[in-house]
Amino acid sequence: ETGVTQTPRHLVMGMTNKKSLKCEQHLGHNAMYWYKQSAKKPLELMFVYSLEERVENNSVPSRFSPECPNSSHLFLHLHTLQPEDSALYLCASSQFLTPATNYGYTFGSGTRLTVV
Amino acid sequence: AQTVTQSQPEMSVQEAETVTLSCTYDTSESDYYLFWYKQPPSRQMILVIRQEAYKQQNATENRFSVNFQKAAKSFSLKISDSQLGDAAMYFCAYKVVSGSRLTFGEGTQLTVNP
Repeated sequence: ETGVTQTPRHLVMGMTNKKSLKCEQHLGHNAMYWYKQSAKKPLELMFVYSLEERVENNSVPSRFSPECPNSSHLFLHLHTLQPEDSALYLCASSQFLTPATNYGYTFGSGTRLTVV
Repeated sequence: AQTVTQSQPEMSVQEAETVTLSCTYDTSESDYYLFWYKQPPSRQMILVIRQEAYKQQNATENRFSVNFQKAAKSFSLKISDSQLGDAAMYFCAYKVVSGSRLTFGEGTQLTVNP
């Protein structure tokens, strides 16, 4: 058990579909993050939530819509995606928004998204 | 803006040997943290080792150690007595103390040969 659980593990969707990625943590962490990991590129921070409030949105296209209904759950709603959006989407959490190294980040195992 | 560069896309090492992975970074901050993360085929990002920039002593965790050269902005990872389970993608990452953003390098794929 990793502490941060992401579902589904794999997702194939058409460009006109609507789907959602789910992230769940029961570590008592207050901050949650979405990262995009594309092949041969550094991880890109997409969104940051602290106590259910979005505190950072890094110029992510509106076809990606995050939702944080409570401090344990984070969703990424997807609609009208493009093939270049195919990537591994990683969720992470930390106890505080600016974690000291003693706390750090806990990552999930990601959702492998393929847009066809 | 802060950047992290890993110049070795792939590395290989024989089991029980030592390997060093390179990382350089660019920042104008003086107070920051540096990390090495490991991502095995299970895809979960696992923290290997961390270093506080204000500490001159290099961090060590069992078989893993770093060579932190602050002036040169270099942060290499040394893996001693390599094991088959060390095979993974390794990412160098940076975080300013006051921020929440982790900035990652492109990664180094490490293969361990039996």
